[in-house]
Amino acid sequence: AQSVSQHNHHVILSEAASLELGCNYSYGGTVNLFWYVQYPGQHLQLLLKYFSGDPLVKGIKGFEAEFIKSKFSFNLRKPSVQWSDTAEYFCAATGTASKLTFGTGTRLQVTL
Amino acid sequence: SAVISQKPSRDICQRGTSLTIQCQVDSQVTMMFWYRQQPGQSLTLIATANQGSEATYESGFVIDKFPISRPNLTFSTLTVSNMSPEDSSIYLCSVLLSRSSYEQYFGPGTRLTVT
Repeated sequence: AQSVSQHNHHVILSEAASLELGCNYSYGGTVNLFWYVQYPGQHLQLLLKYFSGDPLVKGIKGFEAEFIKSKFSFNLRKPSVQWSDTAEYFCAATGTASKLTFGTGTRLQVTL
Repeated sequence: SAVISQKPSRDICQRGTSLTIQCQVDSQVTMMFWYRQQPGQSLTLIATANQGSEATYESGFVIDKFPISRPNLTFSTLTVSNMSPEDSSIYLCSVLLSRSSYEQYFGPGTRLTVT
C-alpha cells in the first residue's frame, strides 16, 4: 500500500536555527513528491515539488528538499528559520493516478 | 495556479442532518478532489469528482454518505449526509490543472462541527 510517514510530529526551534523535517514514502512505481505548508488560519500551499531530475529541489521562502531514492526519503530543510515559518508542514506523494497521499504532518513552532 | 473558493467556510450542524459544501474554481480544471482533515490528523482523500459521471470513492467512503456532484469543469459539491459527531472535520476540495503537472491546489476548507 502507498504510504507517507513523517516522524517529527512537533518541532520547536529558535529563530535562526536550522531545520530538517523527515519524510519517508512507500510507493510502487513512479512517485512524485511534495511538501505543503499550512500557516495558522490559512489554507494549504505548495512549498516545493519533485518529479524527476535534480534530486535537490528548491521551493519558496528559502526551503529546499532532497530526494534520496535509496532511502525512500524526501526531507525538507531550511538553513535558518524565521518566526513566520511557524506552521504545519505536510509531506505528500502521488503516483500516476494523481491521488495525493499525505503524511501525518509536522507542527513547527519557531520561538523568538 | 487557481483560485478556489468554498462555501460555507464553517458550519455547526445537528446530528442526523445533511450539509452540502460547494467548491468553485476560477478556471476550468482537469480533476477535482475532496479531502477530509479530522481534528489533529492529516488529510485523507474521500473521492475524485468526475465531470459528468459518478465520483470515484476511496476505501472507507461511500456514495450514500458522501454524495458528490460535478456538473462542469469549474464546480463541485460534496454532501455530508446523516451527520454524526464523528463527521466533525475540515473538508477541503483541491484541483489539478493538468494531468501532467501533478500539482494540486487546495481551497480554504469548510470547518464542520456536528453536535
